[in-house]
Amino acid sequence: AQTVTQSQPEMSVQEAETVTLSCTYDTSENNYYLFWYKQPPSRQMILVIRQEAYKQQNATENRFSVNFQKAAKSFSLKISDSQLGDTAMYFCAFMNYNTDKLIFGTGTRLQVFP
Amino acid sequence: DVKVTQSSRYLVKRTGEKVFLECVQDMDHENMFWYRQDPGLGLRLIYFSYDVKMKEKGDIPEGYSVSREKKERFSLILESASTNQTSMYLCASSLSGLAFFGQGTRLTVV
Repeated sequence: AQTVTQSQPEMSVQEAETVTLSCTYDTSENNYYLFWYKQPPSRQMILVIRQEAYKQQNATENRFSVNFQKAAKSFSLKISDSQLGDTAMYFCAFMNYNTDKLIFGTGTRLQVFP
Repeated sequence: DVKVTQSSRYLVKRTGEKVFLECVQDMDHENMFWYRQDPGLGLRLIYFSYDVKMKEKGDIPEGYSVSREKKERFSLILESASTNQTSMYLCASSLSGLAFFGQGTRLTVV
């Protein structure tokens, strides 16, 4: 069975600084997706970034980038130039190619301070 | 624009009541899911469906059932609500590795 671990329950960062959120996972599958989702106080789950396991290149979306280490089963999220609107709960998630079922970590609450 | 709509944002129900949580998607997705979100536990899969009238148990199906009579609608049913089912419930639909979530229903069972 797949598992996803986020070891940082809470993080904080000053506005304009950079922060990295950690995620590790365990699977015996070779083909899968990894995701970072953001959940602000509105509760809407917002897709931040998606990584396909077969792609060696790390995914980036504007200020958000990942460090995907497939052999180490590590998938960290780097947020550059942090903004107050980045304050949210962040979830790392795993999805098997064939099922579309998501397995989530327990989340990291990120607070961005002015 | 992609849309997954859950019928209520907040619900308060009494112990023993039968509760229906409704979810509708407008993207013609075959895959639909119900997750439960609790602090410190993340989101956990309750039930999912890959087609009309098809359903499969997720990781925590006990105390729940589902119904999918039409492709766009996936209902979560609490047959007899209990206080330990107080939680946030999120519906999602997906296609080819991309999932879209509803806004969540915060259910309180008193």
